Amino acid sequence: DTEVTQTPKHLVMGMTNKKSLKCEQHMGHRAMYWYKQKAKKPPELMFVYSYEKLSINESVPSRFSPECPNSSLLNLHLHALQPEDSALYLCASSRRQDGTEAFFGQGTRLTVV
Amino acid sequence: GEDVEQSLFLSVREGDSSVINCTYTDSSSTYLYWYKQEPGAGLQLLTYIFSNMDMKQDQRLTVLLNKKDKHLSLRIADTQTGDSAIYFCAETTGFQKLVFGTGTRLLVSP
Repeated sequence: DTEVTQTPKHLVMGMTNKKSLKCEQHMGHRAMYWYKQKAKKPPELMFVYSYEKLSINESVPSRFSPECPNSSLLNLHLHALQPEDSALYLCASSRRQDGTEAFFGQGTRLTVV
Repeated sequence: GEDVEQSLFLSVREGDSSVINCTYTDSSSTYLYWYKQEPGAGLQLLTYIFSNMDMKQDQRLTVLLNKKDKHLSLRIADTQTGDSAIYFCAETTGFQKLVFGTGTRLLVSP
């Protein structure tokens, strides 16, 4: 099993809503990541978790709140988003803590209206 | 800076070879990667090369690394229409962080 599963695949939310993106992997990887990808742009790192602890926060606004409840799950809680936050949100995991050989999920396409 | 540059677009005919180029910035990068992204989809890790290698071959894929010029290339032999996608090179810059190139859209025509 080399899959990283993200749900939902698509999400439309209003600026006052609260929603969560979910990510799951069963490869035993202990590093998990959130990336954001705007249209026609490369992915950009948001957060890194190592052994369920937040190790990198790339100065992401507090309206994005990550959570790692256990070694297989990674959530991204969303609150009071702006239309410019509309993007493809990608989760990834890797066996090694240095980020090598990262496997990505299919992403959640988020639209903020 | 952390700009990893790629040419925007490449068009080839089915059966030809494709060569996608990348210029990276961090000479201390230990691993360099190639990812494929199909429309509306996530990223698929195609291959990677360790910085002390200058070539790696994996079936139809050949990666060449020129550390002196910080140049990475991906050659796809016998390109198929299913290879049409956006290809990103990426480097690890420091602990745990992947920095992606600007992406090259490959179009394969029959």
